[in-house]
Amino acid sequence: AQSVSQHNHHVILSEAASLELGCNYSYGGTVNLFWYVQYPGQHLQLLLKYFSGDPLVKGIKGFEAEFIKSKFSFNLRKPSVQWSDTAEYFCALTTGNQFYFGTGTSLTVIP
Amino acid sequence: SQTIHQWPATLVQPVGSPLSLECTVEGTSNPNLYWYRQAAGRGLQLLFYSVGIGQISSEVPQNLSASRPQDRQFILSSKKLLLSDSGFYLCAWGSGRANEQFFGPGTRLTVL
Repeated sequence: AQSVSQHNHHVILSEAASLELGCNYSYGGTVNLFWYVQYPGQHLQLLLKYFSGDPLVKGIKGFEAEFIKSKFSFNLRKPSVQWSDTAEYFCALTTGNQFYFGTGTSLTVIP
Repeated sequence: SQTIHQWPATLVQPVGSPLSLECTVEGTSNPNLYWYRQAAGRGLQLLFYSVGIGQISSEVPQNLSASRPQDRQFILSSKKLLLSDSGFYLCAWGSGRANEQFFGPGTRLTVL
């Protein structure tokens, strides 16, 4: 069965630190991968997505993610975080009609 | 542009009472529709999805049911709520090549 794992449950960083959130998935076929973000009190919104092609995808607000097929990973990165990046981050995959989300990583950025 | 509405925004219900949460989508036709439950530390759990009117797929056996009486309307129901049904319920619609999900504002349900 398909699944998505996010091993970092809670990350605390100081402003300007670099960020990498891990995401691993379990599925042997073609997948589409996503990172969603939920800022405090706001809707879930799409951060970036990977369908095919260049495995390094860039999203909004300076975020990027790299799809490494051999490692079944889709880690999220940002070179320098800001206080406004404090949010919950969800990795997800779809193989068709169904969507599978990870358990989420709560990021707190300290000014 | 497409918008998705959910109501009510918050709901407090006693154990054993019925439930009806509604989700409607505007600005698109024949969307895939989804109900999720979000719990702290457990991410988003897909409950139901629908690819068309009257077509419901259930992901997790539970005390809830879903219906899609119209193309852009998706309803989550229960005949008798349990304490464990408390949570944050999100409706979403899927679009595009990879069924990218667009989420509604959610309903916070508290069962007492």
